[in-house]
Amino acid sequence: GQNIDQPTEMTATEGAIVQINCTYQTSGFNGLFWYQQHAGEAPTFLSYNVLDGLEEKGRFSSFLSRSKGYSYLLLKELQMKDSASYLCAVMDSNYQLIWGAGTKLIIKP
Amino acid sequence: TAGITQAPTSQILAAGRSMTLRCTQDMRHNAMYWYRQDLGLGLRLIHYSNTAGTTGKGEVPDGYSVSRANTDDFPLTLASAVPSQTSVYFCASSDSGTGGDTQYFGPGTRLTVL
Repeated sequence: GQNIDQPTEMTATEGAIVQINCTYQTSGFNGLFWYQQHAGEAPTFLSYNVLDGLEEKGRFSSFLSRSKGYSYLLLKELQMKDSASYLCAVMDSNYQLIWGAGTKLIIKP
Repeated sequence: TAGITQAPTSQILAAGRSMTLRCTQDMRHNAMYWYRQDLGLGLRLIHYSNTAGTTGKGEVPDGYSVSRANTDDFPLTLASAVPSQTSVYFCASSDSGTGGDTQYFGPGTRLTVL
């Protein structure tokens, strides 16, 4: 079967750095996405990785290792507004997104 | 640009009743999707459409039907609602539905079936 694993909840301090991990087992691979979802709102796109390595976009970076079936999202200089759920999703061989349950990130002052 | 709109925002529905959730996008995207999101679970694909006139089944299609008469609209119908269909429903769209294609989400419809 297809499976996406990520921690259920993480806590971090304002101004710090946090890394959210995602491991996956899917039928085929056509890229990995990270989305941010604030409570009661729609998911919004953060990043996309299809090749191994690090993609940096401002305070957010995303890393992919296809051989290990592993990705992480790195958030730097945390702000209170970063409190949200972070969703990892893999596009499978049928170009359908398989979603993890999401990691709820709590930022403390 | 509105992007994707969904209606209604929320609804309470009696079991056995039918209901259509509406979704409209103004980005001229070819592909559209319906997901449900339940606590503790990832988004699950109900139905999708890669282009107007075609539809396909996702992971959890039972009890739901869709149509895609034109590019902009992708309604989701529950023929006879059951309590297990209580969920938040998100409509999404993407340019082509192929590799690397980012999906953009509507604001969601919160449905409660009693």
